[in-house]
Amino acid sequence: GQQVMQIPQYQHVQEGEDFTTYCNSSTTLSNIQWYKQRPGGHPVFLIQLVKSGEVKKQKRLTFQFGEAKKNSSLHITATQTTDVGTYFCAGFRDNYGQNFVFGPGTRLSVLP
Amino acid sequence: EADIYQTPRYLVIGTGKKITLECSQTMGHDKMYWYQQDPGMELHLIHYSYGVNSTEKGDLSSESTVSRIRTEHFPLTLESARPSHTSQYLCASSRQGHQETQYFGPGTRLLVL
Repeated sequence: GQQVMQIPQYQHVQEGEDFTTYCNSSTTLSNIQWYKQRPGGHPVFLIQLVKSGEVKKQKRLTFQFGEAKKNSSLHITATQTTDVGTYFCAGFRDNYGQNFVFGPGTRLSVLP
Repeated sequence: EADIYQTPRYLVIGTGKKITLECSQTMGHDKMYWYQQDPGMELHLIHYSYGVNSTEKGDLSSESTVSRIRTEHFPLTLESARPSHTSQYLCASSRQGHQETQYFGPGTRLLVL
C-alpha cells in the first residue's frame, strides 16, 4: 500500500487565503522533499528537509519536518494564482530497494 | 533548468504498434526513473535504474521495458501499444547519494487509439 500519504487531495482557496498540505509516512524518513507541478508541466524540486523539527522558508512558503521524521507540512501564506498546481512530498527511506517514494499530491486551485 | 530531455513530446499511435520513448540527461546522473502519470493524478514509478546495465521494476506494474546501456540514456519501450497505455510518461534522474533531488524531463504525452 501507499507508504506516504498527503492530505487534502484537493484544496480550493480564494486568492489571499492561506493553504496547508500535510504529508505523512508510515515509516521514519531520512529526509523529505517537496515538489511543485504546474498544470501541464512536470514536477520541479522546491526544497529538502533533513533534520528533525526543521523549518525552512521560501518567501510565502513554509516547510516543516516533524520531530519524529514521519510527517511534514507545506504552508502557503496569502495564496496567489501563481501558486496553482499540485504539490508532492517525497520521502527518502533508508534500507529500501527503491528508497525514494512520492506522495499522491495535493491539488491546489486558487480562485481570483 | 535541468538538462534532461524527452522525445517525442506528444505521440498519437494506433493499437498494436511498437513505440520507444526516449530520455536523455547530460548531468552524469547515476539514477534514472520512469513515471506514469494521468492528468492531475499521482506519479506512479514504473521503472528505475541505478546505473549502466541496472534496471528495476517500480511500484506500478507495467507492460513496458527499459534498458540502460549508456549512463545518459534510458529509453522505454512498449512492444504493442494499447489504449490503456494512454497517459503521460515522465523521465527523471538523480545523483546517487543522500540528497537525490530528482530532475524531471518535460514528459511524453501518449495517446493510443
